Amino acid sequence: AQSVTQLGSHVSVSEGALVLLRCNYSSSVPPYLFWYVQYPNQGLQLLLKYTSAATLVKGINGFEAEFKKSETSFHLTKPSAHMSDAAEYFCAVTQGAQKLVFGQGTRLTINP
Amino acid sequence: DSGVTQTPKHLITATGQRVTLRCSPRSGDLSVYWYQQSLDQGLQFLIQYYNGEERAKGNILERFSAQQFPDLHSELNLSSLELGDSALYFCASSVAPTPETHTFGSGTRLTVV
Repeated sequence: AQSVTQLGSHVSVSEGALVLLRCNYSSSVPPYLFWYVQYPNQGLQLLLKYTSAATLVKGINGFEAEFKKSETSFHLTKPSAHMSDAAEYFCAVTQGAQKLVFGQGTRLTINP
Repeated sequence: DSGVTQTPKHLITATGQRVTLRCSPRSGDLSVYWYQQSLDQGLQFLIQYYNGEERAKGNILERFSAQQFPDLHSELNLSSLELGDSALYFCASSVAPTPETHTFGSGTRLTVV
């Protein structure tokens, strides 16, 4: 079964600094991978997804992620953090054709 | 607004009670998925329906059931509620019965007291 591990339940960066949220997956087949963001008291919003096209995926709000098969990773980055990026971020992988399997989430805090 | 409508947004009920959560998918989407988000279990897939038929089951308790109606809206029924059922319940919809194009609703927050 596919699984996702997000390294670091909490990440804190300064405004303007690089954001790096780590995600590693395990999958017996080529996966589809996703990053979602959840703002306080809101639902899940898709940031970006990898569906076996380009390995560098650009998403909304300046985020991007790179699929690295050799490292089974799909880390999320943003060059310059903004206060509005404070939220919880979830990495997910498709399991079969039926569902998404989510990581435990990483809470991103931005320091002024 | 994602186009996926979940009602109610908040629900407070007592242990042992039964509640129904409703989800209206985006226009044109035939598939509905239910997920539970809790502090101890994280985000977990519960069940999927496609065009009225159950397609996949995840970690859904026997006390929980769901259905998708001919107009494609879905209801998740939770019975004999326990404190541990307190969670955020999300519905997602997609055109095809695959999750690559999930659109999530804003969720129903259930508090069992």
